[in-house]
Amino acid sequence: GDSVTQMEGPVTLSEEAFLTINCTYTATGYPSLFWYVQYPGEGLQLLLKATKADDKGSNKGFEATYRKETTSFHLEKGSVQVSDSAVYFCALTPRGETSGSRLTFGEGTQLTVNP
Amino acid sequence: EAGVAQSPRYKIIEKRQSVAFWCNPISGHATLYWYQQILGQGPKLLIQFQNNGVVDDSQLPKDRFSAERLKGVDSTLKIQPAKLEDSAVYLCASRSLGTGWVETQYFGPGTRLLVL
Repeated sequence: GDSVTQMEGPVTLSEEAFLTINCTYTATGYPSLFWYVQYPGEGLQLLLKATKADDKGSNKGFEATYRKETTSFHLEKGSVQVSDSAVYFCALTPRGETSGSRLTFGEGTQLTVNP
Repeated sequence: EAGVAQSPRYKIIEKRQSVAFWCNPISGHATLYWYQQILGQGPKLLIQFQNNGVVDDSQLPKDRFSAERLKGVDSTLKIQPAKLEDSAVYLCASRSLGTGWVETQYFGPGTRLLVL
Protein backbone atom coordinates (compact mmCIF):
# COMPACT_ATOMS: atom_id res chain seq x y z
CA GLY A 1 0.00 0.00 0.00
CA ASP A 2 0.88 3.66 -0.12
CA SER A 3 3.16 5.04 2.56
CA VAL A 4 4.98 8.23 3.52
CA THR A 5 8.19 8.38 5.55
CA GLN A 6 9.37 11.58 7.22
CA MET A 7 12.63 12.35 8.91
CA GLU A 8 12.61 11.67 12.60
CA GLY A 9 12.07 14.62 14.87
CA PRO A 10 11.86 16.75 16.77
CA VAL A 11 13.83 19.45 14.99
CA THR A 12 15.07 22.48 16.94
CA LEU A 13 16.53 25.48 15.11
CA SER A 14 17.49 29.03 15.86
CA GLU A 15 15.64 31.86 14.16
CA GLU A 16 16.87 32.56 10.59
CA ALA A 17 18.36 29.08 10.23
CA PHE A 18 17.81 26.97 7.10
CA LEU A 19 15.19 24.23 7.37
CA THR A 20 14.96 20.90 5.59
CA ILE A 21 12.45 18.22 6.52
CA ASN A 22 12.89 15.07 4.47
CA CYS A 23 9.95 13.16 3.04
CA THR A 24 9.95 10.06 0.84
CA TYR A 25 7.00 8.08 -0.39
CA THR A 26 5.93 4.74 -1.79
CA ALA A 27 2.94 4.66 -4.11
CA THR A 28 1.75 3.10 -7.33
CA GLY A 29 1.65 5.47 -10.25
CA TYR A 30 2.16 9.17 -9.74
CA PRO A 31 0.50 10.49 -6.61
CA SER A 32 -0.10 14.11 -5.70
CA LEU A 33 2.03 15.28 -2.79
CA PHE A 34 1.25 17.67 0.03
CA TRP A 35 2.71 19.32 3.09
CA TYR A 36 0.26 20.08 5.89
CA VAL A 37 1.07 22.11 9.01
CA GLN A 38 -0.50 21.87 12.45
CA TYR A 39 0.07 24.86 14.72
CA PRO A 40 -0.40 24.38 18.47
CA GLY A 41 -4.09 24.09 19.31
CA GLU A 42 -5.20 24.36 15.69
CA GLY A 43 -6.36 22.05 12.94
CA LEU A 44 -4.36 20.82 9.98
CA GLN A 45 -3.78 23.40 7.26
CA LEU A 46 -2.53 22.83 3.74
CA LEU A 47 0.88 24.45 3.35
CA LEU A 48 1.71 23.52 -0.25
CA LYS A 49 1.16 20.85 -2.87
CA ALA A 50 2.53 19.46 -6.14
CA THR A 51 0.63 17.30 -8.59
CA LYS A 52 3.26 16.04 -11.04
CA ALA A 53 6.96 15.34 -11.35
CA ASP A 54 9.28 18.38 -11.13
CA ASP A 55 6.46 20.60 -9.88
CA LYS A 56 7.50 22.96 -7.11
CA GLY A 57 4.97 23.89 -4.47
CA SER A 58 5.59 27.06 -2.48
CA ASN A 59 3.86 29.09 0.20
CA LYS A 60 4.92 31.42 3.04
CA GLY A 61 8.58 31.00 2.12
CA PHE A 62 8.39 27.19 2.21
CA GLU A 63 9.17 25.16 -0.91
CA ALA A 64 9.09 21.50 -1.91
CA THR A 65 9.88 19.89 -5.27
CA TYR A 66 8.26 16.68 -6.51
CA ARG A 67 11.18 14.36 -7.34
CA LYS A 68 9.90 11.27 -9.09
CA GLU A 69 13.34 9.71 -9.55
CA THR A 70 14.02 9.73 -5.81
CA THR A 71 10.33 9.51 -4.72
CA SER A 72 10.90 12.50 -2.47
CA PHE A 73 9.19 15.76 -1.56
CA HIS A 74 11.50 17.48 0.92
CA LEU A 75 10.31 20.67 2.62
CA GLU A 76 12.70 23.63 2.76
CA LYS A 77 12.74 27.18 4.05
CA GLY A 78 15.66 29.53 3.83
CA SER A 79 15.11 31.44 7.08
CA VAL A 80 12.75 30.13 9.74
CA GLN A 81 10.89 32.27 12.26
CA VAL A 82 9.62 31.54 15.74
CA SER A 83 6.10 31.55 14.28
CA ASP A 84 7.00 28.54 12.11
CA SER A 85 7.07 26.33 15.20
CA ALA A 86 4.53 23.59 14.47
CA VAL A 87 4.16 19.98 13.41
CA TYR A 88 4.66 19.37 9.68
CA PHE A 89 3.07 16.41 7.88
CA CYS A 90 3.96 15.10 4.45
CA ALA A 91 1.05 13.37 2.68
CA LEU A 92 0.00 11.89 -0.64
CA THR A 93 -3.13 11.20 -2.62
CA PRO A 94 -3.05 8.43 -5.20
CA ARG A 95 -3.73 9.43 -8.78
CA GLY A 96 -6.77 8.14 -10.53
CA GLU A 97 -9.32 8.30 -7.75
CA THR A 98 -11.84 10.77 -9.05
CA SER A 99 -14.18 10.47 -6.11
CA GLY A 100 -11.73 9.36 -3.42
CA SER A 101 -8.51 11.23 -2.82
CA ARG A 102 -7.85 9.82 0.61
CA LEU A 103 -4.73 11.32 2.19
CA THR A 104 -1.97 9.07 3.47
CA PHE A 105 0.15 10.93 6.02
CA GLY A 106 3.64 10.58 7.37
CA GLU A 107 4.33 10.53 11.09
CA GLY A 108 4.85 14.26 11.36
CA THR A 109 7.91 16.31 12.32
CA GLN A 110 7.82 18.67 15.29
CA LEU A 111 9.70 21.90 14.54
CA THR A 112 10.68 24.29 17.31
CA VAL A 113 12.31 27.60 16.41
CA ASN A 114 14.06 29.48 19.21
CA PRO A 115 14.61 33.24 19.14
CA GLU B 1 -16.39 31.26 4.41
CA ALA B 2 -16.95 29.25 7.57
CA GLY B 3 -14.60 26.35 8.14
CA VAL B 4 -15.26 22.77 9.19
CA ALA B 5 -16.93 22.70 12.60
CA GLN B 6 -16.54 19.89 15.11
CA SER B 7 -17.91 19.26 18.57
CA PRO B 8 -17.16 18.60 21.28
CA ARG B 9 -13.55 19.77 21.34
CA TYR B 10 -12.65 17.52 24.26
CA LYS B 11 -14.19 14.40 25.75
CA ILE B 12 -13.14 12.18 28.63
CA ILE B 13 -14.91 8.85 29.12
CA GLU B 14 -14.29 5.54 30.80
CA LYS B 15 -13.63 2.39 28.81
CA ARG B 16 -16.72 0.52 27.65
CA GLN B 17 -18.72 3.76 27.53
CA SER B 18 -20.04 5.16 24.28
CA VAL B 19 -19.24 8.51 22.70
CA ALA B 20 -20.31 10.47 19.63
CA PHE B 21 -18.63 13.21 17.66
CA TRP B 22 -20.28 15.68 15.32
CA CYS B 23 -18.97 17.37 12.18
CA ASN B 24 -20.41 20.11 10.01
CA PRO B 25 -18.43 20.45 6.76
CA ILE B 26 -17.92 23.55 4.68
CA SER B 27 -21.12 24.45 2.86
CA GLY B 28 -21.39 22.73 -0.49
CA HIS B 29 -18.59 20.24 0.09
CA ALA B 30 -19.77 16.85 -1.13
CA THR B 31 -16.93 14.76 0.30
CA LEU B 32 -16.44 14.29 4.03
CA TYR B 33 -13.69 12.37 5.82
CA TRP B 34 -13.11 11.18 9.37
CA TYR B 35 -9.49 10.64 10.42
CA GLN B 36 -8.03 9.26 13.65
CA GLN B 37 -4.79 10.85 14.87
CA ILE B 38 -3.08 8.98 17.69
CA LEU B 39 -0.52 10.99 19.65
CA GLY B 40 2.79 11.09 17.81
CA GLN B 41 1.38 9.71 14.57
CA GLY B 42 -0.06 11.09 11.37
CA PRO B 43 -3.82 11.04 10.79
CA LYS B 44 -5.30 7.80 9.49
CA LEU B 45 -8.46 7.70 7.41
CA LEU B 46 -11.39 5.96 9.11
CA ILE B 47 -14.21 6.62 6.66
CA GLN B 48 -15.00 8.73 3.62
CA PHE B 49 -18.42 9.86 2.42
CA GLN B 50 -19.49 11.37 -0.84
CA ASN B 51 -22.81 13.07 -0.25
CA ASN B 52 -24.57 10.55 2.01
CA GLY B 53 -22.90 7.43 0.59
CA VAL B 54 -19.83 5.63 1.96
CA VAL B 55 -16.87 5.64 -0.46
CA ASP B 56 -14.26 3.98 1.76
CA ASP B 57 -14.61 2.48 5.23
CA SER B 58 -11.92 -0.18 4.88
CA GLN B 59 -10.01 1.05 7.95
CA LEU B 60 -13.02 1.60 10.20
CA PRO B 61 -13.20 -0.90 13.11
CA LYS B 62 -16.80 -1.76 12.41
CA ASP B 63 -17.28 -3.83 15.54
CA ARG B 64 -17.19 -0.64 17.61
CA PHE B 65 -17.13 2.35 15.29
CA SER B 66 -20.01 3.62 13.20
CA ALA B 67 -20.59 6.76 11.17
CA GLU B 68 -23.39 8.31 9.25
CA ARG B 69 -24.02 11.33 7.10
CA LEU B 70 -27.72 11.82 6.86
CA LYS B 71 -28.88 14.21 4.13
CA GLY B 72 -25.32 14.51 2.86
CA VAL B 73 -24.35 17.39 5.15
CA ASP B 74 -23.55 16.87 8.87
CA SER B 75 -21.92 13.67 10.03
CA THR B 76 -21.59 11.81 13.31
CA LEU B 77 -18.95 9.29 14.33
CA LYS B 78 -19.76 6.95 17.20
CA ILE B 79 -17.66 4.60 19.29
CA GLN B 80 -19.42 1.92 21.32
CA PRO B 81 -17.90 0.53 23.47
CA ALA B 82 -14.73 2.59 23.77
CA LYS B 83 -11.32 1.05 24.46
CA LEU B 84 -8.21 2.61 25.92
CA GLU B 85 -6.51 2.53 22.51
CA ASP B 86 -9.26 4.77 21.07
CA SER B 87 -7.69 7.74 22.86
CA ALA B 88 -6.82 10.06 19.98
CA VAL B 89 -7.83 13.22 18.14
CA TYR B 90 -10.67 12.65 15.69
CA LEU B 91 -10.44 14.94 12.71
CA CYS B 92 -13.15 15.75 10.24
CA ALA B 93 -12.28 17.12 6.80
CA SER B 94 -14.28 18.11 3.75
CA ARG B 95 -13.57 18.66 0.09
CA SER B 96 -15.46 20.08 -2.83
CA LEU B 97 -15.83 18.32 -6.15
CA GLY B 98 -14.58 20.65 -8.84
CA THR B 99 -13.24 20.18 -12.30
CA GLY B 100 -9.87 19.04 -11.02
CA TRP B 101 -9.45 16.01 -8.83
CA VAL B 102 -6.82 17.29 -6.44
CA GLU B 103 -8.93 19.73 -4.55
CA THR B 104 -7.75 20.61 -1.08
CA GLN B 105 -9.14 18.88 1.99
CA TYR B 106 -10.08 21.34 4.74
CA PHE B 107 -9.74 20.10 8.29
CA GLY B 108 -11.71 20.93 11.40
CA PRO B 109 -10.04 21.58 14.79
CA GLY B 110 -10.61 17.99 15.91
CA THR B 111 -12.12 16.32 18.96
CA ARG B 112 -9.62 15.12 21.54
CA LEU B 113 -10.83 11.89 23.18
CA LEU B 114 -9.33 10.42 26.33
CA VAL B 115 -10.49 6.97 27.40
CA LEU B 116 -9.69 6.09 31.02
